[in-house]
Amino acid sequence: EPEVTQTPSHQVTQMGQEVILRCVPISNHLYFYWYRQILGQKVEFLVSFYNNEISEKSEIFDDQFSVERPDGSNFTLKIRSTKLEDSAMYFCASSQLDRMSAEDTEAFFGQGTRLTVV
Amino acid sequence: AQSVTQPDIHITVSEGASLELRCNYSYGATPYLFWYVQSPGQGLQLLLKYFSGDTLVQGIKGFEAEFKRSQSSFNLRKPSVHWSDAAEYFCAVGAQATGANNLFFGTGTRLTVIP
Repeated sequence: EPEVTQTPSHQVTQMGQEVILRCVPISNHLYFYWYRQILGQKVEFLVSFYNNEISEKSEIFDDQFSVERPDGSNFTLKIRSTKLEDSAMYFCASSQLDRMSAEDTEAFFGQGTRLTVV
Repeated sequence: AQSVTQPDIHITVSEGASLELRCNYSYGATPYLFWYVQSPGQGLQLLLKYFSGDTLVQGIKGFEAEFKRSQSSFNLRKPSVHWSDAAEYFCAVGAQATGANNLFFGTGTRLTVIP
């Protein structure tokens, strides 16, 4: 069964450092997403991406965040200068159609990257 | 605005017992509703989804959920729990096709299954 893979599974970084979280979406999917879950809180939408552009972003996704599809397979989330409050589980997802929520499509999620900022 | 509440942070059931995980949503129109499961080390996997029609939805792994508009609920059920069902369960609501292309999740319910 196809799957979304994320690396690394756990990353520890010092406050102020840049981090890049990597995701390999399912190969024939065209729409990509990042979500995060701060411990004990809800899974929150960060950004969606299609055709090398951001489609939507939440208010969480400020100038410290950026996304990129550097090649044909990877989809990355960069946090430019990490803060303690960026510590969370980050989930990548992909879907074939332009809706996460649609009757005839399904978004597939990766296993997550746990980011710890110290 | 959409939101989801999962009142139970942690539930423990015995193997073979029945299970019900609660989910309440807030949304102004008819919602799209989802249940996802995350087993240890795995990604979020879609169990089932409701869009329209029959309010009792069947999913994978023997799960079902019932949409009750009057109660704004979408509770997940399983008649007999297996040890492999131990995981984190997330309820989510999605907007209908009005341009919003993301899901709103609850905080999750951790299920522990005891022998």
